Amino acid sequence: QVQLQESGPGLVKPSQTLSLTCTVSGGSISSGAEYWSWIRQLPGKGLEWIGFIYRSGSPYYNPSLGSRLFISIDTSKNQLSLRLSSVTAADTAVYYCARVKRGGGNYYFDYWGQGTLVTVSS
Amino acid sequence: DIQMTQSPSSLSASVGDSVTITCRASQSISTYLHWYQQKPGKAPKLLIYGASSLQSGVPSRFSGSGSGTDFTLTITSLQPEDFATYYCQQSFNTLLLTFGGGTKVEIK
Repeated sequence: QVQLQESGPGLVKPSQTLSLTCTVSGGSISSGAEYWSWIRQLPGKGLEWIGFIYRSGSPYYNPSLGSRLFISIDTSKNQLSLRLSSVTAADTAVYYCARVKRGGGNYYFDYWGQGTLVTVSS
Repeated sequence: DIQMTQSPSSLSASVGDSVTITCRASQSISTYLHWYQQKPGKAPKLLIYGASSLQSGVPSRFSGSGSGTDFTLTITSLQPEDFATYYCQQSFNTLLLTFGGGTKVEIK
C-alpha cells in the first residue's frame, strides 16, 4: 500500500519561499510509470493542480505558478519536493502530494498524502 | 485552459436516495474525466477514472458516465458515509490538469 506524507513549515512569511517534502513509502518513487504531483486547496475552496514530475524527467508546472515553482524528486530518499517562491497570502492553502496514475490519456490521482496547511503571514 | 463546471454546487438528500452530480467541460475531453470524494479535513479519494471505471475498493453504488463534454456521477442508495464534497477532474490537457468547483452533498 503506497503512502505519502507531506512535511514542512506550517507558517511562511510573505515574499519568502515555501518548501515542502513528500515522503513516499510502500513503493519506490523511481519505478513504474507513475508521475508524482503536488495539488493545493485554498481555504474553503476547490482543488488546484500545481505540477508533477516523473522519476527521471522534467517537471511540468501549472502555468499560473510556473515562474515561482520548482518541483524535484530525490529517488535515493524516495521523496518529492516543492519550492514556491515569493509567496503571498494568496498561497495560503492545504498542500497535498499525490501519485499520478497514467493510462492512455487518463492521468488521475490514486494515492494522496494527508495534506499540510501552509499559512503565509508575517 | 479547460474549465470544468459542476452542478449543482450543493444538494440535500436523504439516506437511501439516489443522487446525480453533473460535470461539464468547456471543450470535448473524450472520457478523460475522473471523480473524487472529499470529506472535511481529509484528502480527496479517487472514486471513478476514465469517466466510468470504478476504482478498486469503491462501492458499486457509485457509477460514472459520459463522454465529450458532459459527465455524471451517480450515487444510488446514498449511505451516511457518502455525505461529502465531490470533484471532477479532466486529463485531456495533461499539461494543465483542472478540477471542477465541487458539489457538496448534505443530509436533508
